[in-house]
Amino acid sequence: KQEVTQIPAALSVPEGENLVLNCSFTDSAIYNLQWFRQDPGKGLTSLLLIQSSQREQTSGRLNASLDKSSGRSTLYIAASQPGDSATYLCAVKNRDDKIIFGKGTRLHILP
Amino acid sequence: DVKVTQSSRYLVKRTGEKVFLECVQDMDHENMFWYRQDPGLGLRLIYFSYDVKMKEKGDIPEGYSVSREKKERFSLILESASTNQTSMYLCAIHHTGTSENEQFFGPGTRLTVL
Repeated sequence: KQEVTQIPAALSVPEGENLVLNCSFTDSAIYNLQWFRQDPGKGLTSLLLIQSSQREQTSGRLNASLDKSSGRSTLYIAASQPGDSATYLCAVKNRDDKIIFGKGTRLHILP
Repeated sequence: DVKVTQSSRYLVKRTGEKVFLECVQDMDHENMFWYRQDPGLGLRLIYFSYDVKMKEKGDIPEGYSVSREKKERFSLILESASTNQTSMYLCAIHHTGTSENEQFFGPGTRLTVL
């Protein structure tokens, strides 16, 4: 059974620093992996989608990598800003079409 | 831009009431999903639908039902609301266009059952 883990559950970082959020999954036979951002009380906003055949995707200051063999993905945020404060979730789509979410990392950027 | 809307942002209901949560999408997507999100438990799939009049149980369907009479609309129904159904409800669609198999979410409905 696929399990998706995000560690740490919460993270505080001074503004301007680069940071890495981690996502690990137990079954490497995935179809794709997606990173989301969620602001308090709001829905999820899609950030990046990586297909199983890809190694990374970039959007602005965000870069997501995927290492299927080791069951890991990272979300790199460059030059962090207070507006980046949110909860970040990763979700894995299995070959059977099921989508499994991690519980998220709550990120706080300190001004 | 893909747009997913939910009928209410906040809803307060009493125990035993019948509750309808509606989700509408504007992109003619087949796949629609209902999740609930609770602290410490993450997102859990309640029901999903691959097309009109089709529905599949997710991981926690008990106490819920769904309706998909039109492609753009997917309704979640709480037949008799209970306090343990107080939660954040999120609707999602599965976009299989150029952004292959990407999920998009609505803004969420915060339901409180008293």
